[in-house]
Amino acid sequence: DAKTTQPTSMDCAEGRAANLPCNHSTISGNEYVYWYRQIHSQGPQYIIHGLKNNETNEMASLIITEDRKSSTLILPHATLRDTAVYYCIVRDANQGGKLIFGQGTELSVKP
Amino acid sequence: EAGVVQSPRYKIIEKKQPVAFWCNPISGHNTLYWYLQNLGQGPELLIRYENEEAVDDSQLPKDRFSAERLKGVDSTLKIQPAELGDSAVYLCASSATGSTNIQYFGAGTRLSVL
Repeated sequence: DAKTTQPTSMDCAEGRAANLPCNHSTISGNEYVYWYRQIHSQGPQYIIHGLKNNETNEMASLIITEDRKSSTLILPHATLRDTAVYYCIVRDANQGGKLIFGQGTELSVKP
Repeated sequence: EAGVVQSPRYKIIEKKQPVAFWCNPISGHNTLYWYLQNLGQGPELLIRYENEEAVDDSQLPKDRFSAERLKGVDSTLKIQPAELGDSAVYLCASSATGSTNIQYFGAGTRLSVL
């Protein structure tokens, strides 16, 4: 079973920041938080991952709370092409590589 | 750099027929995964290879599904015979050896069993 809880769906206005929350209250010390997204009819796409510190790359920022029980993925200026299902996954990087996907959040970016 | 390549993109077959899916991972990636994605659900792992060795096939229905990765590069997933319930998207992913183990996915093969 997935170890994360995400809202089923969210809307965001084009050009605004999209903030996608994820709860992972049972995360253990050596588990990372990964974010993937899946645009319709495509395979999942890696976005970002982190352990404790906040992370930023060209696609997004990841904010992890100090207790690590929740995190937020931030798309700073959402575009229509960001419409997708976003998956938050926790995984022990030292274990075998299985990703356990939950239901994800369906983000709709509207003009 | 080319990503993970899968073929075919779509396949329609009648039940009880065999079907095969092919995957070419990213060059240099030792680990290859096959996932199954049912409509409206997240992907679920079927099998994971480390080079030629299947190291996790616990979720692969072995009565009808088989997979191979003979030279540690390309892989083939086969279903024989296909059932109506096998209609789904079959995704291949690959990753390089390393602690963070980011997986990169292909576009998938959408199978429809009639």
